[in-house]
Formats: sequence, structure tokens, C-alpha cells
Amino acid sequence: VQLVQSGAEVKKPGQSLKISCKGSGYDLSTYWIAWVRQTPGRGLEWMGIIYPGDSDTRYSPSFRGQVTISVDKSTTTAYLHWGSLKASDSAMYYCAKSVGPEYHFDSWGQGTLVTVSS
Amino acid sequence: IVVTQSPATLSVSPGERATLSCRASQIVSGNLAWYQQKPGQAPRLLIYGASTRAAGTPARFRGSVSGTEYTLTITSLQSEDFGVYYCQQYNKGLTFGGGTKVEMK
Repeated sequence: VQLVQSGAEVKKPGQSLKISCKGSGYDLSTYWIAWVRQTPGRGLEWMGIIYPGDSDTRYSPSFRGQVTISVDKSTTTAYLHWGSLKASDSAMYYCAKSVGPEYHFDSWGQGTLVTVSS
Repeated sequence: IVVTQSPATLSVSPGERATLSCRASQIVSGNLAWYQQKPGQAPRLLIYGASTRAAGTPARFRGSVSGTEYTLTITSLQSEDFGVYYCQQYNKGLTFGGGTKVEMK
């Protein structure tokens, strides 16, 4: 089981961004994929989760409306998308696999560092 | 649900026992996991369901609960165990504690 994330990004405020998380070694459609943000100041924060089988998506209230989570079953890839980045979106982002929408995470991607700076 | 970990930093010598604490602001009914994170790496699941070791977790890692306090005990600390440990509740929503850094004494 492996989750491989896209590489580090440097963006300017107001730009859009989509980062990815590709699963392999297991049936992507049978597990949930979550996104977790990590910053030095706020630690680990669960952002939301998607079930690739039917695209059922749930967001943390803190992140609803700020990001969009999606999945492409054909390529076994999950995505995290920002329409307009802010400096405060600078963080390390991890995808993680779970057996349910409110469960522990048994496998994690390696992380994608996003830096937003003018 | 707010999850509070203590201490923030724990200084331990190799071979010694380390005891980490995690307390939730509401009952989480054993729906609590522990993760280990080393510098430059993603978190790794150690324990779920308060006391069940994940695949590959050495037996020296033990999770337990007493009332509303959850504890991760590392019975004999090895050099590879230094890092930051996080607990996570998944009983209602998903929230992480702030972490305990286990450093060499």
C-alpha cells in the first residue's frame, strides 16, 4: 500500500493550486482518503475526506468552502484544490488512508509542502 | 472535541520507560489512535482503538486507557523511538493532540 503525493509548490497569493495523492497496492475505491494539514503553529488538522467509490466527500467546518477535495477513480488519484491561495495556506499537506470517514489513518503519503508568498 | 497531550517534551534515556498522556474534552469511547512522527517524515500509525497495535508496531509500545485519560507507554525506549508522538480522537469528528516530543536525555 502506497500513497504518493505530488511535489512541493511555491505560489503567489490569489493563485490556484491542485495537489495530488496517487494510491497503489490496494483498491482505492474501497477506502477513504483524507487530507491533513500540518503547520508549526496549529499542528495536525484534518481538512476533509473522500470516498472514491461514490465521491462522498466530507469537510471539517474549518476548511469547508476553503478547499475542494476530489478523486479520479480511473487514475486512482485524489486531489486537494485551492481556488485562491492565501499566505496562511502555507503548510505541509498529507493525504492519508482510512477505512471509514471517522477513523484512524493507517497509511500516509509523504507530504506536499505548499509555500504561498508574494 | 479538544485533545490535550502532556507533557509537551519528555526527556528519556535509551532503555528507560516513557509514558505519554492524552486527554479528550469529551468521552471518545476508546476511539483514539497514536502516531509517531520523525523529522522530515509523515506520521506513522502505532496504536488504534486505544490499545491495538498497528501492523509492524513493536510490542514495547502499549496503549491503555483509564477513565478519560489515554496513555502510550514505551516500555524500553530504543534510539529509533525518538520523535514526536500525536494522539487522535475519531469518536466525533477527527482531532489531533498537540504532540509530545520524546527526546534523548
